Amino acid sequence: GESVGLHLPTLSVQEGDNSIINCAYSNSASDYFIWYKQESGKGPQFIIDIRSNMDKRQGQRVTVLLNKTVKHLSLQIAATQPGDSAVYFCAEISYGNKLVFGAGTILRVKS
Amino acid sequence: EPEVTQTPSHQVTQMGQEVILRCVPISNHLYFYWYRQILGQKVEFLVSFYNNEISEKSEIFDDQFSVERPDGSNFTLKIRSTKLEDSAMYFCASSVRGTGNQPQHFGDGTRLSIL
Repeated sequence: GESVGLHLPTLSVQEGDNSIINCAYSNSASDYFIWYKQESGKGPQFIIDIRSNMDKRQGQRVTVLLNKTVKHLSLQIAATQPGDSAVYFCAEISYGNKLVFGAGTILRVKS
Repeated sequence: EPEVTQTPSHQVTQMGQEVILRCVPISNHLYFYWYRQILGQKVEFLVSFYNNEISEKSEIFDDQFSVERPDGSNFTLKIRSTKLEDSAMYFCASSVRGTGNQPQHFGDGTRLSIL
């Protein structure tokens, strides 16, 4: 039968290891990017953002890298913990204030 | 930490009925948004609202949809005559400013089920 919905990529990591979640964005005119974390039954939770005039930004245990040449965004999580298990979305804004979300990546942390 | 709150958490409605979803944005935020997420699909933008006016809307946001800020704290999304395909999670969000360098903060959503 026909499949519906998205088949999200899954990243499985061992607790304590570093995680890298990747995102390819579509619009070269996008100038602001956000990573969100979504746990089951909850809304997207802001993690970190970056503007297009930067290529790296660090937060607490998280780093976002932006490569505008290849339209690629990544989220690095250091020392991944079980509480980091969730779906991670990148989102972009190219004009106005409309967020365009990516499909998401499931992060599973094994203890 | 201030947060966006949404009520109800789950709404079950008969097809053709009107439904109102409610949101209380973060108190010092000036821009408000509605997004939806159909099960298994991406989060999609519906509408943004500032200064008591719609500032941007998507093609999903047709004449069946309306938004309102009836008082100083609430922000509502009304669907006039619901259809089966309106079943989704509806997320409210708010931001301090509407320029493209301010994060939007989301509520935990209302699950709308149309029967």
